[in-house]
Amino acid sequence: DTEVTQTPKHLVMGMTNKKSLKCEQHMGHRAMYWYKQKAKKPPELMFVYSYEKLSINESVPSRFSPECPNSSLLNLHLHALQPEDSALYLCASSQDGTRRHNEQFFGPGTRLTVL
Amino acid sequence: DAKTTQPNSMESNEEEPVHLPCNHSTISGTDYIHWYRQLPSQGPEYVIHGLTSNVNNRMASLAIAEDRKSSTLILHRATLRDAAVYYCILRDANMNYGGSQGNLIFGKGTKLSVKP
Repeated sequence: DTEVTQTPKHLVMGMTNKKSLKCEQHMGHRAMYWYKQKAKKPPELMFVYSYEKLSINESVPSRFSPECPNSSLLNLHLHALQPEDSALYLCASSQDGTRRHNEQFFGPGTRLTVL
Repeated sequence: DAKTTQPNSMESNEEEPVHLPCNHSTISGTDYIHWYRQLPSQGPEYVIHGLTSNVNNRMASLAIAEDRKSSTLILHRATLRDAAVYYCILRDANMNYGGSQGNLIFGKGTKLSVKP
């Protein structure tokens, strides 16, 4: 199984809502990532988890809260988002976050719209 | 990570070879050259990577200039499924982000269109 799955595929939420994005992989990977991609732009890194510990937070606003409950799961909790947070949110994983050449496997993303 | 420069877009005909260039004039001796692509409505996928020697895999070939200041991703026979944005990314083998340095820094990439 070389797949990263993400749910939901699409999400529409209001600025006062609380929602969560989920990501799952069963490849035994120990590094997982969240990226944000605005329309017609390249993906931008948000968070990196290595061995279930947060190792990189790229100055992401606190309305985005990541969580890695175990080595297969990665969540992104959303609260009080702004319309400019509307984007494609991509999850990825790699075998070992301590090596820079490990291939990253990406999920299909969650298309988020904030009204 | 050093920067890369790619053309914004390229066109190819189906079943013909495609050469996607990438300039990286400030590349350091420990930078690996990685290529990812992103098909429409999908997440990026790994294509290939190399350091100095040319590399081949089932998806593509990577030709690296002798001075390493440029490289070319070669798709030997383009198909309609190869229409995507192709990203050339440099990864410094020596950088350590405190135990996790797997993040990718994407540039703008090249949007490849394939005509039937």
